[in-house]
This record gives sequence, structure tokens and C-alpha cells, in this order.
Amino acid sequence: GQNIDQPTEMTATEGAIVQINCTYQTSGFNGLFWYQQHAGEAPTFLSYNVLDGLEEKGRFSSFLSRSKGYSYLLLKELQMKDSASYLCAVRAFSNDYKLSFGAGTTVTVRA
Amino acid sequence: DVKVTQSSRYLVKRTGEKVFLECVQDMDHENMFWYRQDPGLGLRLIYFSYDVKMKEKGDIPEGYSVSREKKERFSLILESASTNQTSMYLCASRPRQGASYGYTFGSGTRLTVV
Repeated sequence: GQNIDQPTEMTATEGAIVQINCTYQTSGFNGLFWYQQHAGEAPTFLSYNVLDGLEEKGRFSSFLSRSKGYSYLLLKELQMKDSASYLCAVRAFSNDYKLSFGAGTTVTVRA
Repeated sequence: DVKVTQSSRYLVKRTGEKVFLECVQDMDHENMFWYRQDPGLGLRLIYFSYDVKMKEKGDIPEGYSVSREKKERFSLILESASTNQTSMYLCASRPRQGASYGYTFGSGTRLTVV
């Protein structure tokens, strides 16, 4: 099975940087995804990592260490619209289709 | 521009009713999924489908069934609704090929069973 842990809540100030950590224990590994979900809306895809290292996309970056079972999502130059829940999801090698999700981290950006 | 459509945004049903949740995607995706989302528990997989007529149980299939008669449509059925099935239900799809493809989600159906 999969065990995926991420903090429940984080608060940061507009313009600051926030790092959301995700640790996972899976029976296999074939990629890690981050999604953003605003209240009452559908999750939307942010990033995908399958190899170790940092992937940068504008203000958002995602890092993966497969040996440590660890990823983080880095949000820079925070804006009020970044207030949302951020979901970490892992795909196990044994089954390419399913994603297992963490419970999500709610980020609140304050002025 | 809408890609995954769930038929109802909000639904209220009575205990014991048979409930149908519909999901339609227009991206010609082979794989489709039903999750439920509850506070503190995250998204949990109920059922998924690799392709038309195919279905596989997810992590919490009890009390649910699914139907995939056409490629674009994946239906979730609550055989006899119970109050513990009150939840947000999310449908998602992805293409068969392409490891980097994540899911495209629908907007969700918030179901309340009274």
C-alpha cells in the first residue's frame, strides 16, 4: 500500500516563500504529482517529478528525492490567489494508472 | 474548454435510495477514475476503468458500483445510499499513454445523504 504524509496547514505572508513537504512510503514508485485545489473547485495539475532533482515552473518548483521518499513544493513570491489546498500524489510502479493522494496541505496567504 | 463534466454539483438523497453520479469527458481518454474526498482523509479511490467495458476496484469500493458503456462516460452508482456516503465525489480522466500525464478532474459532486 501507500502512505503519504504532508502537513495539514501552513500560513505565510504575501510575497514570502513557502515550502510544502511530502513524504511517502510506497510499494513501488513511478512518479510524484502536485495538484492545487481552491475551495469548492477541482484539483488542477501543478507538477510532475519522476527523477531526482528540482523542476521549476515560474513561481512554483517541485523537488524529488527517491532515496529518501521525499518531495517538496516551493511557492515563491506568494500571492493571495495562492491560498488553496496542495495535494501530493504518488503513482506506484506496480500500477501505472492509479494515483494515491496525501490528505492535502491548506496554505493561507495573509496580506 | 470544459473537459471533464460531472452532471450535478450538489445532490441531496435519502438513505436507501439508488444514486447515479455521471461523468463525461471529451478528451478521448482511456482511463477514468472515481474518488471521494473527505476532510483529513484526502482523495480515496473508489473505482477506475482502463477502457470501455473495463472496471477495477479501488481502495474503498464497498457500497459502490460503476458502469463504462461508452468511452466518454463513467458512472458511479450507490446501490443503497447511506449517511456515511455523504462526501465530495470527484471524477478524473487521463490518456493511456504518457507517464507524465496527470489527471484532469471534474468540478465534483457534493452528495448529502439524509
